[in-house]
Amino acid sequence: AQSVTQLDSQVPVFEEAPVELRCNYSSSVSVYLFWYVQYPNQGLQLLLKYLSGSTLVKGINGFEAEFNKSQTSFHLRKPSVHISDTAEYFCAVSRTGRDDKIIFGKGTRLHILP
Amino acid sequence: NAGVTQTPKFRILKIGQSMTLQCTQDMNHNYMYWYRQDPGMGLKLIYYSVGAGITDKGEVPNGYNVSRSTTEDFPLRLELAAPSQTSVYFCASSKQGAYEQYFGPGTRLTVT
Repeated sequence: AQSVTQLDSQVPVFEEAPVELRCNYSSSVSVYLFWYVQYPNQGLQLLLKYLSGSTLVKGINGFEAEFNKSQTSFHLRKPSVHISDTAEYFCAVSRTGRDDKIIFGKGTRLHILP
Repeated sequence: NAGVTQTPKFRILKIGQSMTLQCTQDMNHNYMYWYRQDPGMGLKLIYYSVGAGITDKGEVPNGYNVSRSTTEDFPLRLELAAPSQTSVYFCASSKQGAYEQYFGPGTRLTVT
């Protein structure tokens, strides 16, 4: 079975500073990896995904993530955050090939400080 | 495209009452999901469906029921509401199971 751990429940960062949100996964088989974002009082939307190929994945709003198989990590980064990035971020994992479900982490709340 | 729509947005139930949370998608997706979100706990899968007429339990199915008579609709039924079912409920759909999921705006349910 797959599982995902988000190491920080909350991350405060000053506006225009860089940020990294950490995600580690556990799986005995190959995986797909995702980051979803949830803005206040909204549903989740996909930020980026890793299916195969280049381990550096670029997403919307200037975010990127790097798949590291040896460290079983998929950390999310942004070089300069904006107040509009205030949201909760969820890392998620599924098996490659035919799978019915995605397993979500518990989320990391990003607080942007003025 | 409206995407995934959910009704109602908010609801307060008394203990023991029943209700149905509605979910509709217009993207012709085969896969549909119901999650609940509690503070600090992420999303927990309640039920999912891989196509019309096919449903299966997720991680936390107790106290809920679903049906999938059409591709578009996937209602979630609470038969005897309990305070433990106070949560935010999200419906989602996807073209394939392990790929991108599209989420509705959620239903905030309070059971008192």
